[in-house]
Amino acid sequence: SAVISQKPSRDICQRGTSLTIQCQVDSQVTMMFWYRQQPGQSLTLIATANQGSEATYESGFVIDKFPISRPNLTFSTLTVSNMSPEDSSIYLCSALVIWTGELFFGEGSRLTVL
Amino acid sequence: GESVGLHLPTLSVQEGDNSIINCAYSNSASDYFIWYKQESGKGPQFIIDIRSNMDKRQGQRVTVLLNKTVKHLSLQIAATQPGDSAVYFCAEKEAEGGYNKLIFGAGTRLAVHP
Repeated sequence: SAVISQKPSRDICQRGTSLTIQCQVDSQVTMMFWYRQQPGQSLTLIATANQGSEATYESGFVIDKFPISRPNLTFSTLTVSNMSPEDSSIYLCSALVIWTGELFFGEGSRLTVL
Repeated sequence: GESVGLHLPTLSVQEGDNSIINCAYSNSASDYFIWYKQESGKGPQFIIDIRSNMDKRQGQRVTVLLNKTVKHLSLQIAATQPGDSAVYFCAEKEAEGGYNKLIFGAGTRLAVHP
């Protein structure tokens, strides 16, 4: 298995500010992803974090709003920029472990924007 | 805890009964499917997976059935326990532009009553 650590685990932010969420994996992984889970809903894929290159964004998500970095195989960051109350959500990091092919999730970062 | 599953369909069962959670997937080209369990305040946890060349796979107290003809997936939980109370998501692996990604279904909240 893999342990995925996300921080912060939760935060309350002011409108117009930006917040960076960090994700660290303790195992060798191939792919890393960022998901958003709005209250009471399912998970929506934001982007695939690519090592050393620009992330691959899903429809409806753009780099200016959600810049993502992945400087090495086991670490990634997601920034939520110029936040509004509509960005209040749980943001989840996930990683595909090389040896098992399983996709593991972090515990999520719960963001509240006032 | 967080309001995971607040607005999702709910399946209520008595402790000890069998539970069946259904999921319709969208992409006939998807070749790999996973069921995840998400408890309140936590990230999704892997339960069981199935590849498209199979129609049934069993784990400990859980069975996944795949019907490719109607693009339907089900999760059966035997002798449901209070600890099974959670939100359950099916996910399908899609391959697009050389990238593999998991797309999640809407989710079902399972409520187990003593």
